[in-house]
Amino acid sequence: QKEVEQNSGPLSVPEGAIASLNCTYSDRGSQSFFWYRQYSGKSPELIMSIYSNGDKEDGRFTAQLNKASQYVSLLIRDSQPSDSATYLCAVTGAGNNRKLIWGLGTSLAVNP
Amino acid sequence: GAVVSQHPSRVICKSGTSVKIECRSLDFQATTMFWYRQFPKQSLMLMATSNEGSKATYEQGVEKDKFLINHASLTLSTLTVTSAHPEDSSFYICSARDLGTAYNEQFFGPGTRLTVL
Repeated sequence: QKEVEQNSGPLSVPEGAIASLNCTYSDRGSQSFFWYRQYSGKSPELIMSIYSNGDKEDGRFTAQLNKASQYVSLLIRDSQPSDSATYLCAVTGAGNNRKLIWGLGTSLAVNP
Repeated sequence: GAVVSQHPSRVICKSGTSVKIECRSLDFQATTMFWYRQFPKQSLMLMATSNEGSKATYEQGVEKDKFLINHASLTLSTLTVTSAHPEDSSFYICSARDLGTAYNEQFFGPGTRLTVL
């Protein structure tokens, strides 16, 4: 079983719609959860961090965390073509070095 | 804030040469930096964790004698690919962990695209 799982997609949504990206993780000891956006040929860019159960909103982005279900999601409201990218879910692993455990990413295409 | 730079952004070299890549945290101190490699259309692969003032921790399967890491200051880590070969051609990305933030987020440099001829 992979430690962090994401649907590879591609997820295709029309412009203006809500895009919903999901991620599950296996380590119940994980404490910090991150969503990164990566455009083709570029490095990842941090979009959201979440630590506590519930929702966290930042502009058009909302991260949702449910530790009991080991599930974290990212909602993108009013999706724009510029949101088209690969979205990477990352979870802090157990231990002192707190390196990130990465999902393989979900490809999102927002169609004008 | 939380800006990480990487240099060079692109390098082309001949097989057998060594290439040094620099990673700098510009507006925060980073006791820990991470080096990743990404092949086309594949996910990020963590190569090593770079700790300021101590030896790097390498992931399984990564040759420490081939990928030399030095983290001599709180704002600079370097990765040297020694005796590079065409199979080392890849996108190398560093990240730095900002201990000043609530979640210890990692911020990425823009990456270095290495092509070995």
